[in-house]
Order: sequence, then C-alpha cells, then structure tokens
Amino acid sequence: RKEVEQDPGPFNVPEGATVAFNCTYSNSASQSFFWYRQDCRKEPKLLMSVYSSGNEDGRFTAQLNRASQYISLLIRDSKLSDSATYLCVVTYQKVTFGTGTKLQVIP
Amino acid sequence: GAGVSQTPSNKVTEKGKYVELRCDPISGHTALYWYRQSLGQGPEFLIYFQGTGAADDSGLPNDRFFAVRPEGSVSTLKIQRTERGDSAVYLCASTLGGNADTQYFGPGTRLTVL
Repeated sequence: RKEVEQDPGPFNVPEGATVAFNCTYSNSASQSFFWYRQDCRKEPKLLMSVYSSGNEDGRFTAQLNRASQYISLLIRDSKLSDSATYLCVVTYQKVTFGTGTKLQVIP
Repeated sequence: GAGVSQTPSNKVTEKGKYVELRCDPISGHTALYWYRQSLGQGPEFLIYFQGTGAADDSGLPNDRFFAVRPEGSVSTLKIQRTERGDSAVYLCASTLGGNADTQYFGPGTRLTVL
C-alpha cells in the first residue's frame, strides 16, 4: 500500500458545484497534514493545513479522520480559477506527497 | 521578501554528464528539502537538510545523487553520470523549522537528459 494515496482524477465539475477529494495515508503515527495546490507547470503552494478539529477557509474545508486514516478537502461554489492539481501531504519522520488530484472546473 | 529561488530554470544535458542544481532558500529558514517531480506525479522526496547537515537522505535514488548545504543556506544537488530516467523537474523547498511547517517551494529546475 502506498504511504499516501489520492484519486488522480480528473474531476470535471461545472462552475458553482461542490466537489470533495479524499486522501488516505498508511502510517497511523502521521503527525501533520496539509493540502497544497499546484497549477500546471508551477510549483506547489500551501492551500491549507489540516487540523484534528477540521478547519475552514472561505469556500474550502479540510477535515482529518484519524480512525480511518484519511483527510478530505471540500470546495464549495467552484470557480474556474480553482482548476488545478490538489496535493495531499502527510508528515511523520519525513514529508510525503500524494500523486495529486486534478480538478477541472468547466464554464 | 524574496522567496525560494532555483537555478538554472532549465538544464539540458547529455547522458553521462555531470550536473549541479542550485537552491537559494528563504533567508532564516533552517530546513531545506529537495524533491523530484515527474509528469503526472506528486513531488518525490529526495533529501532534507536541517542546517548544514542532511537530516534524512533516504530518498536519494542511488549514489549518483548527492547534495550539500555547506553554510546552512544555499544548497546544491549534484547528479553524476546522468541517465535519461533522471529527466524531471527538481523542486527545492524551505521551511522555518521542520517537517510540520509550511513548505515554500522554488519554481524548480527542469532537467532533460538526452
């Protein structure tokens, strides 16, 4: 089993839709969790950290489920500018990135 | 302030040659990471420095790859006897403290081995 797994997509959704991504991780001792966004041919940039209590930033909500070992990202009211690859990051003794989930928001 | 910078932005080399890739982290960031990213994949961890020392080099694929950070700031990733399979984007990131902190990435170096 991969350390961090994501559905690569692509997820094609219309503007205004709500879309959710999950990311599973294998190491139950994992300590820190993040979502990064990567635009085509650009470097990854932090979207949000994921806390045990869950956290929300505008249209974005991230949650952590330690029992089932996954994190999720929910995007409400999708915008065209949300089109990107969303990378899940899990840290224990090292930093591990998922392969990313590609989102395409369609007009 | 200045972000993470990487040079060169693109490097084309021939199989068997030696290359050096440079990373200049954000000033004051103690931790520096190197990753390799192939098309359609997430960044693959190579090595992590805390200060001048390599805290974890378990991601280096073989002994052709080596990295240094002699003064705890700028780092150089060195690849000997390059192979076509080394072609990828090499990303550098820095954090203020360590693994639990936000990673700030440079724009990457696109390496093409012919």
